[in-house]
Amino acid sequence: AQSVTQPDIHITVSEGASLELRCNYSYGATPYLFWYVQSPGQGLQLLLKYFSGDTLVQGIKGFEAEFKRSQSSFNLRKPSVHWSDAAEYFCAVGARAGGTSYGKLTFGQGTILTVHP
Amino acid sequence: DAGITQSPRHKVTETGTPVTLRCHQTENHRYMYWYRQDPGHGLRLIHYSYGVKDTDKGEVSDGYSVSRSKTEDFLLTLESATSSQTSVYFCAIAGPVSTDTQYFGPGTRLTVL
Repeated sequence: AQSVTQPDIHITVSEGASLELRCNYSYGATPYLFWYVQSPGQGLQLLLKYFSGDTLVQGIKGFEAEFKRSQSSFNLRKPSVHWSDAAEYFCAVGARAGGTSYGKLTFGQGTILTVHP
Repeated sequence: DAGITQSPRHKVTETGTPVTLRCHQTENHRYMYWYRQDPGHGLRLIHYSYGVKDTDKGEVSDGYSVSRSKTEDFLLTLESATSSQTSVYFCAIAGPVSTDTQYFGPGTRLTVL
């Protein structure tokens, strides 16, 4: 069965500092990996995704993530955090539809990011 | 933003009553999903659909049923609501050919008293 672990429930950083949110996954085949962001009271917005190819992927809002197969990780990074980045971040793993998986996603528990001025 | 709407956006109901949540899309996407979001659990898949009248169970399907009679609508029904079903419910869509990316609706906050 597929699973995702986000070890950090809550992270606090100062504005302008760098950020890394951790994500570890368990999946039996080549994973499709995603990071979503959720602002309070809002739906989920896709930040970036990894399917194949270059293991460093760029997303929106200056975020990037690196896929490391040997470590089963897909950590999210940003070099300089802005106050507007305060939100909850979710890592997810799934598979492409076409087979029997139908693209179902498994989400991590989420990491709440607080940004201090 | 993907054309996904959910209704109602907020609902308070009593234990034992039936409740139906609606997800409507204007993207003509084949795949649709219902998730529930609870603190400490992230999002968990309830049911999903891979076409009209084609649905299947997800991770937390007990107490829920779904129907999809046309491409644009995916209904989630709580047959007899319980307090443990108090949650925020999200619909997602993907397609039109594959499910490379799921796009999420704004959510429905359901409170069962």
